[in-house]
Amino acid sequence: NAGVTQTPKFQVLKTGQSMTLQCAQDMNHEYMSWYRQDPGMGLRLIHYSVGAGITDQGEVPNGYNVSRSTTEDFPLRLLSAAPSQTSVYFCASSWLAEVNTGELFFGEGSRLTVL
Amino acid sequence: QQQVKQSPQSLIVQKGGISIINCAYENTAFDYFPWYQQFPGKGPALLIAIRPDVSEKKEGRFTISFNKSAKQFSLHIMDSQPGDSATYFCAASITSGANSKLTFGKGITLSVRP
Repeated sequence: NAGVTQTPKFQVLKTGQSMTLQCAQDMNHEYMSWYRQDPGMGLRLIHYSVGAGITDQGEVPNGYNVSRSTTEDFPLRLLSAAPSQTSVYFCASSWLAEVNTGELFFGEGSRLTVL
Repeated sequence: QQQVKQSPQSLIVQKGGISIINCAYENTAFDYFPWYQQFPGKGPALLIAIRPDVSEKKEGRFTISFNKSAKQFSLHIMDSQPGDSATYFCAASITSGANSKLTFGKGITLSVRP
């Protein structure tokens, strides 16, 4: 009964390095998304996907790339990390019909520090 | 422009007291208002939600009150317990909007003192 699984839980990067945050869900959800959580800023949507092969930008997409090759996986790529990307990242998923009317299921988060 | 505003920014309540968290929204097209609860080191999880066709919804010790004319809704936690200490996010969305996304408030940290 895994739900939404994020890896790694913690990561330290140097400015300019690249990395990928992994997200996998086993609930057959069509909708998957990435949020970042910063103190005093709440949860801000980075990118989202409504199905395999379909992705779109959220509120704060700059500096991040996503792809959705399978229903289960939705990785978030940081191309050239910057200190402003220090944050806690959450992956969330839902059935497409319930994105705005039901429950978003969140992972436990990935804490990223960029030095 | 922040579409969903929460107040207060933080809250300290004694055990057994009532915790009240308020949210105000701008967009009158919003028609679904959930609250999410987040414990330290965990992801947010849906706590309770309301539609504007009702003025109040209660689930155990948690109650949402909705005031459509004032564009406000609030979360009341009765008999607050230390285990309720968490960050609470209100949110809003437009259920009929094809491209509508859930908009979150900034969150408030609740501490319930023993």
